[in-house]
Amino acid sequence: EDKVVQSPLSLVVHEGDTVTLNCSYEVTNFRSLLWYKQEKKAPTFLFMLTSSGIEKKSGRLSSILDKKELFSILNITATQTGDSAIYLCALTRTGNQFYFGTGTSLTVIP
Amino acid sequence: GAVVSQHPSRVICKSGTSVKIECRSLDFQATTMFWYRQFPKQSLMLMATSNEGSKATYEQGVEKDKFLINHASLTLSTLTVTSAHPEDSSFYICSARGQAGTGELFFGEGSRLTVL
Repeated sequence: EDKVVQSPLSLVVHEGDTVTLNCSYEVTNFRSLLWYKQEKKAPTFLFMLTSSGIEKKSGRLSSILDKKELFSILNITATQTGDSAIYLCALTRTGNQFYFGTGTSLTVIP
Repeated sequence: GAVVSQHPSRVICKSGTSVKIECRSLDFQATTMFWYRQFPKQSLMLMATSNEGSKATYEQGVEKDKFLINHASLTLSTLTVTSAHPEDSSFYICSARGQAGTGELFFGEGSRLTVL
């Protein structure tokens, strides 16, 4: 059975802290792994990863995939209150479906 | 970027009635759209994959007679919750994949359904 598990489920940090969110998976016919940020309504796209070991970076956010150990991490440095959100990891397989992980709820307090 | 519009954003209905939610791709053609359900503070659960011109593919445990999906054109998919009950109250989000190769998924704004 395909699984996408994120950890931790929730996290509370202070502004300026660095956080690392994890996404581990077991899925057949892996195609890509994507990270999304969801604040109030629709998730917004952060990164798409297809190859192991290549870091994707956007401002204070970065992400990397390990296809051997079957996980990805999302790093956020110098966190701000605006980073408070649910972070979703999604897998795609051949066949077009997207499967989402359990999500990590991040709260950044001033 | 691609835009997906979902309507209505919020709907309240009586138990036993049916509710239709529309999902439109505004500036691109989407042969495939996805419908998700989300409970409070939980992740998105894939309900079904909607294919233009053919029957939707439902995930295990999702009742196809309960959640009717129609994808009649390349820009419109609809989800009808039939004979809604309070346990159907949830946040429903549709999405469509962007241009081939990008892998990005574009989401509608979501629809909050409350069944009284």
